[in-house]
Amino acid sequence: GENVEQHPSTLSVQEGDSAVIKCTYSDSASNYFPWYKQELGKRPQLIIDIRSNVGEKKDQRIAVTLNKTAKHFSLHITETQPEDSAVYFCAATFTGTASKLTFGTGTRLQVTL
Amino acid sequence: SQTIHQWPATLVQPVGSPLSLECTVEGTSNPNLYWYRQAAGRGLQLLFYSVGIGQISSEVPQNLSASRPQDRQFILSSKKLLLSDSGFYLCAWSVYSRGGEKLFFGSGTQLSVL
Repeated sequence: GENVEQHPSTLSVQEGDSAVIKCTYSDSASNYFPWYKQELGKRPQLIIDIRSNVGEKKDQRIAVTLNKTAKHFSLHITETQPEDSAVYFCAATFTGTASKLTFGTGTRLQVTL
Repeated sequence: SQTIHQWPATLVQPVGSPLSLECTVEGTSNPNLYWYRQAAGRGLQLLFYSVGIGQISSEVPQNLSASRPQDRQFILSSKKLLLSDSGFYLCAWSVYSRGGEKLFFGSGTQLSVL
């Protein structure tokens, strides 16, 4: 089955700096890669996703890049703000099937003033 | 628009007591439904998913069970809770979009077994 590794487990950046979270996956058949943001005690929320037919996708201050050859994808947050502080999870699945989503172990991002 | 309701938000139960968590989805028909568990400070573990009424797939063998008595209702149950059942339980549903499925979570139930 799919295996997703996520790094780093914790990340601290100063407000205004960029943050990068990286994930690798094992199943070359995986073709859908979502990212979720989970604030303390709240539900994970889908913030951005990418499919294997594109290499990069942006939405305002967040972007995701995908390298199919190397089987890794990354979340980039620019101009970080305190409200970006949360745990971020990456995930991967083949055939775009949600029931087969494999999640990473999460990255706790702390944006300091 | 679609919404998902999950209750209760918090629950404290003694070891050995039964459990029933309920989730309902509005604004869509025949959704795929899921139960996830998240231990404190840990990742998301898929427990059950359902593609239709009465159809339940179990991902992790344990003392929990799930049922789907109605199209938009998903229930997580246990006859006797264990300490290890403590965690944050999340109901979720998925929708097909541009050739793939997107997964959306309910607000969660924080379960403490004492």
